[in-house]
Amino acid sequence: KAGVTQTPRYLIKTRGQQVTLSCSPISGHRSVSWYQQTPGQGLQFLFEYFSETQRNKGNFPGRFSGRQFSNSRSEMNVSTLELGDSALYLCASREGQPSLGNTIYFGEGSWLTVV
Amino acid sequence: AQKVTQAQTEISVVEKEDVTLDCVYETRDTTYYLFWYKQPPSGELVFLIRRNSFDEQNEISGRYSWNFQKSTSSFNFTITASQVVDSAVYFCALSPGDNFNKFYFGSGTKLNVKP
Repeated sequence: KAGVTQTPRYLIKTRGQQVTLSCSPISGHRSVSWYQQTPGQGLQFLFEYFSETQRNKGNFPGRFSGRQFSNSRSEMNVSTLELGDSALYLCASREGQPSLGNTIYFGEGSWLTVV
Repeated sequence: AQKVTQAQTEISVVEKEDVTLDCVYETRDTTYYLFWYKQPPSGELVFLIRRNSFDEQNEISGRYSWNFQKSTSSFNFTITASQVVDSAVYFCALSPGDNFNKFYFGSGTKLNVKP
């Protein structure tokens, strides 16, 4: 079974631009969540989607948004990029709906550098 | 409050040494899950183990073992006879019963295993 696939793996953007990251979950997984990882803040939860609906959201500004498609694939978008948005963005998926004890499996992430 | 503390920022050992990575968690929930993930330089977080709050049995998987003690709110991870391939950042995570959509991650422990 293929794992969680994220594209692109590496990208460089300029301050003020916007970026879209894509995530394909493990086949059969219907929940997709996103995390931001930085050296200073560690791993921080962005949001999670199930059945094309956002189920939970972390403490990030409205510039961070996401969506999920009917095939469970997900995208996240960051508008008006700031230098502080430079990070590794990790996508994770799990079977079924978000529920207690349901393990999340991560992709390799998208390395975003804002210059 | 939900919180995971990994006090060891970085540990260096020589191959074949045993090493223990500490994880202390805080939650008021009686039902929760704890996880360990390994992050090699490629970026992907690899799932290692899941443990629920009602199962305090220690677990061993090859050279890996986990010690869960509710009395001290700890879920420590030991690698026996470490190998260079064990070099990575290890994260402990908590998924509490009140908001199982979210995972709360510790800051990670970077393990360097030298030949």
